[in-house]
Amino acid sequence: QKEVEQNSGPLSVPEGAIASLNCTYSDRGSQSFFWYRQYSGKSPELIMSIYSNGDKEDGRFTAQLNKASQYVSLLIRDSQPSDSATYLCAVHGQNFVFGPGTRLSVLP
Amino acid sequence: NAGVTQTPKFQVLKTGQSMTLQCAQDMNHNSMYWYRQDPGMGLRLIYYSASEGTTDKGEVPNGYNVSRLNKREFSLRLESAAPSQTSVYFCASASDRRGYEQYFGPGTRLTVT
Repeated sequence: QKEVEQNSGPLSVPEGAIASLNCTYSDRGSQSFFWYRQYSGKSPELIMSIYSNGDKEDGRFTAQLNKASQYVSLLIRDSQPSDSATYLCAVHGQNFVFGPGTRLSVLP
Repeated sequence: NAGVTQTPKFQVLKTGQSMTLQCAQDMNHNSMYWYRQDPGMGLRLIYYSASEGTTDKGEVPNGYNVSRLNKREFSLRLESAAPSQTSVYFCASASDRRGYEQYFGPGTRLTVT
């Protein structure tokens, strides 16, 4: 079974700080990588997708991919209390595999 | 656009009862998926359909069947519900033209007593 691993957290950061979320995966053939945000009791919401090595920025979010190290990360700049949620890493290789999620808490 | 819709939102079943969870998408996506989400387990793929007329097993298919009725609709059936199937079920759809970015429905919270 191909695996995706994340720190379960909770990760607590003060408002305005940078939150750094990490994900590793085992399937070297994976081609597509995604970050989803999930608020309690709600469905996952796509926030970033990345397909090639390097950084991809979208507003306050930056996704970083390193296929050689099998590592994906998500940086959230100027963190806001509304960013408090569980962040799911997903990897598309042979199949779609989600990580267990990291719970982020942004403290006012 | 409604995106991905699911019915029902909540359901309580007794052990042994059957039911079908409905999912529909209006984004013209080829691929559709069914997941279950349990505390501490993340999202686990039950079945998926890469295109109309095809279905494939995911990580946890036992106890479930699916039907891809047409391009829009993908249903999940529990033939004989068990307490271990108590979970939140999410349907998702994706386009292969957008790198398989998945978009999720609101979910069905199922309790089997």
